[in-house]
Amino acid sequence: DAKTTQPPSMDCAEGRAANLPCNHSTISGNEYVYWYRQIHSQGPQYIIHGLKNNETNEMASLIITEDRKSSTLILPHATLRDTAVYYCIVRVNSGGGADGLTFGKGTHLIIQP
Amino acid sequence: DTGVSQNPRHKITKRGQNVTFRCDPISEHNRLYWYRQTLGQGPEFLTYFQNEAQLEKSRLLSDRFSAERPKGSFSTLEIQRTEQGDSAMYLCASSLFPSYNSYYEQYFGPGTRLTVT
Repeated sequence: DAKTTQPPSMDCAEGRAANLPCNHSTISGNEYVYWYRQIHSQGPQYIIHGLKNNETNEMASLIITEDRKSSTLILPHATLRDTAVYYCIVRVNSGGGADGLTFGKGTHLIIQP
Repeated sequence: DTGVSQNPRHKITKRGQNVTFRCDPISEHNRLYWYRQTLGQGPEFLTYFQNEAQLEKSRLLSDRFSAERPKGSFSTLEIQRTEQGDSAMYLCASSLFPSYNSYYEQYFGPGTRLTVT
């Protein structure tokens, strides 16, 4: 799986959009970008994933650059409950990709009231 | 809520003792994963099962660590002769493979926090 680089921490004001960047310059053509988050004292939670097109679901939007070397997770209206560590993970999505996830240290997002 | 459950949630043990943790996955999920998470780090993958078959165990941290899933439902993770360095959060996750959505979202439990004194 390709390596990812994320800032260790970020702040965002409540109600504003939180934009979390991730660099994955060595991503391969068959690797997807996944985002998980981990709220304090809980297990990680899946947020969203994508290959090359931008994706949106009820939790967030994922913007992947055209060269796929970086991506941004967007939480459109951050709330205090979005305070968590956010992990960007790159992995293949075939049968062989259904093994363990490789987590980095992630970005600790703190939503300020 | 029929999510992934783990027991116990907390375990304090003395160095040298054996400990066993249990994970109950989401009922229709055939894949089950174990991870370890130390303070300030992301989860570290240890092993996984598809039904009762253990498909990856080379990443178990040492031969003191073992996992089972005898009937393809719940799983146990055992650590023998615990050491202080084993103190960590042990997370379990499950997924459905193959997935009709063609991706493999893993659902995590709340974890078991182990403290070795």
